[in-house]
Amino acid sequence: AQRVTQPEKLLSVFKGAPVELKCNYSYSGSPELFWYVQYSRQRLQLLLRHISRESIKGFTADLNKGETSFHLKKPFAQEEDSAMYYCALSADNYGQNFVFGPGTRLSVLP
Amino acid sequence: DSGVTQTPKHLITATGQRVTLRCSPRSGDLSVYWYQQSLDQGLQFLIQYYNGEERAKGNILERFSAQQFPDLHSELNLSSLELGDSALYFCASSVTTGAGEAFFGQGTRLTVV
Repeated sequence: AQRVTQPEKLLSVFKGAPVELKCNYSYSGSPELFWYVQYSRQRLQLLLRHISRESIKGFTADLNKGETSFHLKKPFAQEEDSAMYYCALSADNYGQNFVFGPGTRLSVLP
Repeated sequence: DSGVTQTPKHLITATGQRVTLRCSPRSGDLSVYWYQQSLDQGLQFLIQYYNGEERAKGNILERFSAQQFPDLHSELNLSSLELGDSALYFCASSVTTGAGEAFFGQGTRLTVV
């Protein structure tokens, strides 16, 4: 079965510092990986998906199939980046085909 | 707007009561997911339906049940409510003919008093 892990429950950085939110997954096939962001317990919003290879709000994420990772990075954190970040995996197979990690709360300090 | 609609937005009820939460997925999406998010907690997967049939079940209590109707909207029924059931309940939908993005509703905030 597929699984997503995010080892950090809370990550605090200072404004302007680089930030990396870690995500690892386990799945035997070729999944799609996503990052979702949730501000102040609002609706979850899609931030990035690996197939689009784009940068949103300065965030990037690269899928590393060898390490089964999809870490989210931003070179200079801003206070408005403070939110809950969820890594998610989507796979076309029987069973739950959209799996979320436990989430990492990012706190950007002034 | 994600296209996923959840009603009601807020619900306050007493312990022991029963409530029904409703979700209308995006047009064309066959899969519906329900998640519970308690205060300062992550998303807890409850259950998934695909085209009217239960596809996967997570940490859903026996007091909770769900169904997906022929028009693809879904309802989550919570009974014998306890204080600990107070949470945000999110619904999400996806096409699920292959791997792809899930779209979230704004959630129903349930308060049990």
